[in-house]
Amino acid sequence: EVQLVESGGGLVQPGGSLRLSCAASGFTFNNHWMSWVRQAPGKGLEWVANIKQDGGEKFYVDSVKGRFTISRDNPKKSLFLQMNSLRAEDTAVYYCARDTYYFDFSGQYRRNDAFDIWGQGTVVTVSS
Amino acid sequence: QSVLTQPPSVSAAPGQKVTISCSGSSSNIENNFVSWYQQLPGTAPKLLIYDNNKRPSGIPDRFSGSKSGTSASLGITGLQTGDEADYYCGTWDGSLSAGVFGGGTKLTVL
Repeated sequence: EVQLVESGGGLVQPGGSLRLSCAASGFTFNNHWMSWVRQAPGKGLEWVANIKQDGGEKFYVDSVKGRFTISRDNPKKSLFLQMNSLRAEDTAVYYCARDTYYFDFSGQYRRNDAFDIWGQGTVVTVSS
Repeated sequence: QSVLTQPPSVSAAPGQKVTISCSGSSSNIENNFVSWYQQLPGTAPKLLIYDNNKRPSGIPDRFSGSKSGTSASLGITGLQTGDEADYYCGTWDGSLSAGVFGGGTKLTVL
């Protein structure tokens, strides 16, 4: 079964750190870009970051640049999000998601920028 | 304020059709694929449409997507009470070098 399972969420004080993990199974992990998406209580989805198959490219939403770091361990089929200098506005459910891809007419790998597999989410609460 | 603009809510009767719009710009929708997601209360989002108008396996053909210029839309026909959910559009923004979502639309099936 294709599956993503997040862990590592919890309650942390402002300024603190957390490391989220996402364990993948049932598919070839290193074929896919992977993303983190979050959802604050009662709010909509917010894309946070993504990482290329080999970890060689990473992108972040402006609000987390310099504070969050996305990484992956392909042999262990795991995705991570290191979150430092946490703020109250980082409180959210954090989802790990698999990016879809295709091969263009020249055979080059291209992202569809769609997320076809999602984890169940892990809750991060930043509060004193 | 989301980069992509969706109506906060739409409603229609069972069996009817509804369309949800998603408005963006040349840096996102116009030059990138649009996807749509359904989020039932208390659950993770589910991919409904990718590549503007393609359905993953298992998604009924009651759901359709389209794109024109800087706007996209999701259509749902034969509405069922089980379709009551939040719906989000998403794409990549080349100027921001970031993924972006719409603010979400709550569908009520009256």
